[in-house]
Amino acid sequence: GDSVTQMEGPVTLSEEAFLTINCTYTATGYPSLFWYVQYPGEGLQLLLKATKADDKGSNKGFEATYRKETTSFHLEKGSVQVSDSAVYFCALSLLLSGSARQLTFGSGTQLTVLP
Amino acid sequence: NAGVTQTPKFQVLKTGQSMTLQCAQDMNHNSMYWYRQDPGMGLRLIYYSASEGTTDKGEVPNGYNVSRLNKREFSLRLESAAPSQTSVYFCAIGRRGGTDTQYFGPGTRLTVL
Repeated sequence: GDSVTQMEGPVTLSEEAFLTINCTYTATGYPSLFWYVQYPGEGLQLLLKATKADDKGSNKGFEATYRKETTSFHLEKGSVQVSDSAVYFCALSLLLSGSARQLTFGSGTQLTVLP
Repeated sequence: NAGVTQTPKFQVLKTGQSMTLQCAQDMNHNSMYWYRQDPGMGLRLIYYSASEGTTDKGEVPNGYNVSRLNKREFSLRLESAAPSQTSVYFCAIGRRGGTDTQYFGPGTRLTVL
């Protein structure tokens, strides 16, 4: 079935370091791809998304490009801040009955940024 | 504009007890979802409601029931709680047939002893 595999954590970086969190997917058809972020004690927030091949999603300095040829959607940021410390989830969207959509998530990557 | 609200925030149950988790939205979205989050497993879909009056099973529905009370509210019921249902439960909403983006509530942390 459809699935998402993302880089296991935890990841610890110093402030201003470069961040990459790898995400690959398996899917029939052409799903939309997402990165969600979860801060401690909170729900998930949409960070960015891409709906078709070669689309680049970006937000708050984070970027990810939908690569159909490698079935990947890696998250990058050029210079991380302490406030970026959170758990990051890669997800793909599947169509359900009644036009609802299921998000299938990777297992999450804990990022800690040290000052 | 609160978006998606969930009650309660925390709950401790004994095995065999029942409870209902409540979810309400003020964004006028058609679709509503219940997910559970377990360590190292991401989120998994329990049940969903594509629109008012309809509900369907997701990936892990056993031990749960749902009610779509109206367009705003979608509840999740545990009839006889088990320790395996210890988890964090998230409600989410989305537009039917539109953008795929789902918006999540703050979650309910449930412990079953």
